[in-house]
Amino acid sequence: ETGVTQSPTHLIKTRGQQVTLRCSSQSGHNTVSWYQQALGQGPQFIFQYYREEENGRGNFPPRFSGLQFPNYSSELNVNALELDDSALYLCASSEDRATSIEQFFGPGTRLTVL
Amino acid sequence: AQRVTQPEKLLSVFKGAPVELKCNYSYSGSPELFWYVQYSRQRLQLLLRHISRESIKGFTADLNKGETSFHLKKPFAQEEDSAMYYCALSKSSASKIIFGSGTRLSIRP
Repeated sequence: ETGVTQSPTHLIKTRGQQVTLRCSSQSGHNTVSWYQQALGQGPQFIFQYYREEENGRGNFPPRFSGLQFPNYSSELNVNALELDDSALYLCASSEDRATSIEQFFGPGTRLTVL
Repeated sequence: AQRVTQPEKLLSVFKGAPVELKCNYSYSGSPELFWYVQYSRQRLQLLLRHISRESIKGFTADLNKGETSFHLKKPFAQEEDSAMYYCALSKSSASKIIFGSGTRLSIRP
């Protein structure tokens, strides 16, 4: 069984640029959630995708958008990057959105915005 | 407002001493409560959840609805317990998770 993977591991962008982060969910999981973890803080929920549809969104502006593909992998896109977007971005997958199932986290992508 | 508060950023105790990591929450309804742990150079992982009522690695956590608390306890700390601990809640564990800001636990030899 393959765990949650994320790519890239880290990247550096400049203000105003756009970035795409990728997540492969654990085998058999159809739900993917994205979190932003700023330095010294706990993860903050960005949004969740269930069977290719957005299923809940946190307090993030529209320039944060996402996709989920038929194989349940997912992308997080951030447009017009700001300095405060520098953070660790975590992806978590789970089996079903309706039941009490554990979410499994990936290792994260460290984004630095200069 | 839905919120999780961990008042201690850092907790340092000697090996063999008892450990208590504090967590308070505010939530309208009956949330699921969790403790997540992140060991050095490892990914975030679930330690325990209140509905399981299990003891994991010697840790337990009791949900106190009256005090809206979910403190994590271990009677005898071990060096391998050193890690970052996050208290969290959600409507169900497959839904969005609201995390506290975390407590770094350091066990001194």
